Amino acid sequence: KAGVTQTPRYLIKTRGQQVTLSCSPISGHRSVSWYQQTPGQGLQFLFEYFSETQRNKGNFPGRFSGRQFSNSRSEMNVSTLELGDSALYLCASSLGARGTGELFFGEGSRLTVL
Amino acid sequence: EDQVTQSPEALRLQEGESSSLNCSYTVSGLRGLFWYRQDPGKGPEFLFTLYSAGEEKEKERLKATLTKKESFLHITAPKPEDSATYLCAVLHAGGTSYGKLTFGQGTILTVHP
Repeated sequence: KAGVTQTPRYLIKTRGQQVTLSCSPISGHRSVSWYQQTPGQGLQFLFEYFSETQRNKGNFPGRFSGRQFSNSRSEMNVSTLELGDSALYLCASSLGARGTGELFFGEGSRLTVL
Repeated sequence: EDQVTQSPEALRLQEGESSSLNCSYTVSGLRGLFWYRQDPGKGPEFLFTLYSAGEEKEKERLKATLTKKESFLHITAPKPEDSATYLCAVLHAGGTSYGKLTFGQGTILTVHP
């Protein structure tokens, strides 16, 4: 069974640009969550989608947005990039009709903002 | 404020030297506590779920326990391959019907041969 796939794995952007990250969950998983991981802040929750609907959102500015498609694949977008957005962005999936902590993570997309 | 605190931040052990990692939490409406292992450059890997005080789970050299205010991850006779960052996460009410998952900062475990 294929795991959670995130693309791209690495990317470098400059301040002010925007970026789109993609996540394909495990087959059959309908919930997708996104996290930002930095050495100083640890794992910070961004948002969660279930059946194309955002059902939870973390405390991030509106520059961070996401969506989920009918095939459960998800994308997140960060606009007007800032240096502080440099981080590992992790996607996790679960079967997920109800909230759970049993998540399956991808390997992440490492974003560097110059 | 909902908080999850892990200690120590880093732990260095000799191979075979048993020890414990701690995860303490102050949240409202606990729904579950979860342990993960994260290797460098990888996403976290799910290890255990604990739902109620007194519950224990074991997997190889790892045993997780839960009380009303904290959880311990006991590592018995660790090997170098157990070196990783161990994360705990707490699912709590968080003001939503689906619950909110809050992660601790992690404990970096290094096991020397």
